[in-house]
Amino acid sequence: SQTIHQWPATLVQPVGSPLSLECTVEGTSNPNLYWYRQAAGRGLQLLFYSVGIGQISSEVPQNLSASRPQDRQFILSSKKLLLSDSGFYLCAWSVSSGIRTYNEQFFGPGTRLTVL
Amino acid sequence: GQNIDQPTEMTATEGAIVQINCTYQTSGFNGLFWYQQHAGEAPTFLSYNVLDGLEEKGRFSSFLSRSKGYSYLLLKELQMKDSASYLCAVTADRGSTLGRLYFGRGTQLTVWP
Repeated sequence: SQTIHQWPATLVQPVGSPLSLECTVEGTSNPNLYWYRQAAGRGLQLLFYSVGIGQISSEVPQNLSASRPQDRQFILSSKKLLLSDSGFYLCAWSVSSGIRTYNEQFFGPGTRLTVL
Repeated sequence: GQNIDQPTEMTATEGAIVQINCTYQTSGFNGLFWYQQHAGEAPTFLSYNVLDGLEEKGRFSSFLSRSKGYSYLLLKELQMKDSASYLCAVTADRGSTLGRLYFGRGTQLTVWP
């Protein structure tokens, strides 16, 4: 069975500090990978998605970047955090083979980031 | 772009039926998802509709009208554990295996005893 891991679970960082959040998926190959942010009282915002190693697409301009150094590893980074980067960060994966008629996304447990 | 609207909050009593509506405007529509999210947790998949009509799954049902850009999630025999945020999401990558999801802000449902 497939599982998705995220760490850390919670993080408190000062403004201007760097960030690295990691997501790994087990039990599947060549998944589509996604990073979302959920700010308090707001919906899930798609930040980045990836269809393969080294292939990253950004949905919105921002203070963050993403990388996919391995097939099942997705990393969200920032060089200098802003207060507005606070939120609940969720990683998700979906099947990319096209066999399924729809691509349900499976979410990791999330990382709650507070920037002070 | 994608525009997805759903009510912010709803309340209901245990044992009742509640209907959560979602309207959307999107190009390349390829299906609509409903997710449940308890506070502080990740969203979990409830249902998927791509064709018009009603999909029933136990106490939960989801309806889609593509011509109206409208969906609803129907929850029957409400239980306290159904208190959660319900997220409507559309996928708009027709012909692609990508499956990006665009989410509404979620409807916070509170079930009272």
